[in-house]
Amino acid sequence: GENVEQHPSTLSVQEGDSAVIKCTYSDSASNYFPWYKQELGKGPQLIIDIRSNVGEKKDQRIAVTLNKTAKHFSLHITETQPEDSAVYFCAASEGDAGKSTFGDGTTLTVKP
Amino acid sequence: GAVVSQHPSWVICKSGTSVKIECRSLDFQATTMFWYRQFPKQSLMLMATSNEGSKATYEQGVEKDKFLINHASLTLSTLTVTSAHPEDSSFYICSARWGGGDSPLHFGNGTRLTVT
Repeated sequence: GENVEQHPSTLSVQEGDSAVIKCTYSDSASNYFPWYKQELGKGPQLIIDIRSNVGEKKDQRIAVTLNKTAKHFSLHITETQPEDSAVYFCAASEGDAGKSTFGDGTTLTVKP
Repeated sequence: GAVVSQHPSWVICKSGTSVKIECRSLDFQATTMFWYRQFPKQSLMLMATSNEGSKATYEQGVEKDKFLINHASLTLSTLTVTSAHPEDSSFYICSARWGGGDSPLHFGNGTRLTVT
């Protein structure tokens, strides 16, 4: 089955700096890679996703890059703000009826 | 759009009783719903996959007789924790999607279950 590894497990940055979280996956059949943000006591919320036919996608301060050959994808947050502090999960899944496999999460702390 | 409502947000029950958690997709029809358990500072552990009108598919190690899942309609799935014990105390989260594996998941806000 699919295996997703996520690094780092914790990340602390100063407000205004950039943050990068990286994930690798094992199943070359995976073709959908979403990122979720989970705030304390709440369910995860989708913040950005990318499909295997695209190498990069950007939405304001958030961007995701995908390298299919190396089987890794990354989340980039620029101009970080204290409200970006949360746990971020990457995931990988296959089309059709595929389940999503989640990384172990990254706790991002943005210091004001 | 794509709102998933999960109730209750928290529940306290006595050991040996059963608890039902509801997961509703409010503005879309969910072809598939998923139930997870999340321990503090850990990732989401998939418990089961639920498709409308069919039996749920449970992950290895999850007791199907203890965690009863019903997906009666395209907008509602329920998880019943039967004969709950303190070790069942956890954060339970549902998610729903309307497409295949390349569709985003929409999560409920979770249910904090405490069994005394």
